[in-house]
Amino acid sequence: AQTVTQSQPEMSVQEAETVTLSCTYDTSESDYYLFWYKQPPSRQMILVIRQEAYKQQNATENRFSVNFQKAAKSFSLKISDSQLGDAAMYFCAYRRRSGGSNYKLTFGKGTLLTVNP
Amino acid sequence: DVKVTQSSRYLVKRTGEKVFLECVQDMDHENMFWYRQDPGLGLRLIYFSYDVKMKEKGDIPEGYSVSREKKERFSLILESASTNQTSMYLCASRTQGTEAFFGQGTRLTVV
Repeated sequence: AQTVTQSQPEMSVQEAETVTLSCTYDTSESDYYLFWYKQPPSRQMILVIRQEAYKQQNATENRFSVNFQKAAKSFSLKISDSQLGDAAMYFCAYRRRSGGSNYKLTFGKGTLLTVNP
Repeated sequence: DVKVTQSSRYLVKRTGEKVFLECVQDMDHENMFWYRQDPGLGLRLIYFSYDVKMKEKGDIPEGYSVSREKKERFSLILESASTNQTSMYLCASRTQGTEAFFGQGTRLTVV
């Protein structure tokens, strides 16, 4: 079974600084997706960024970028120029690309990010 | 924009009651999911459905059932609510080529 581990229950960052959230995962599959979701206090889960395992290039979305290390099964999220609105719970998630049970997302336990003004 | 709507944001029920949590999506997605979110445990999949009247158990199905009579609606049923089912419940939907879209969550308290 696939597992996703976020080793940092809480992180804090100063406004305008950079922070990196860690995620490792375990799978025997070679073709899959990895995601970072953000859950602000409003509780609405929002997709931040997605990485396809077959792509070597790290995904980037504006101030958000990932460091995907497939051999090490590591998938960290870097937030640059942190803003107060980035404060939220961040979840790392995994999904198989195809085959049985490819429908479901497996989530880590989350990292609560605080942004200090 | 895709919209996934959960019928209640907050719900308080008594132990032993039958509880229905409703979820509706407006984008004709085949797949719908119910997750439970607890502090320190992340999101855990309860059930999912990949078509009308089709369902599969997730990781923690005990004490829950689901119903999907129409494509846009996926209901989570607590047959006899217990205090250990006090939690946040999140519904999601997706289709091929898209990622999961989530509802705003229902915080259920069983007293």
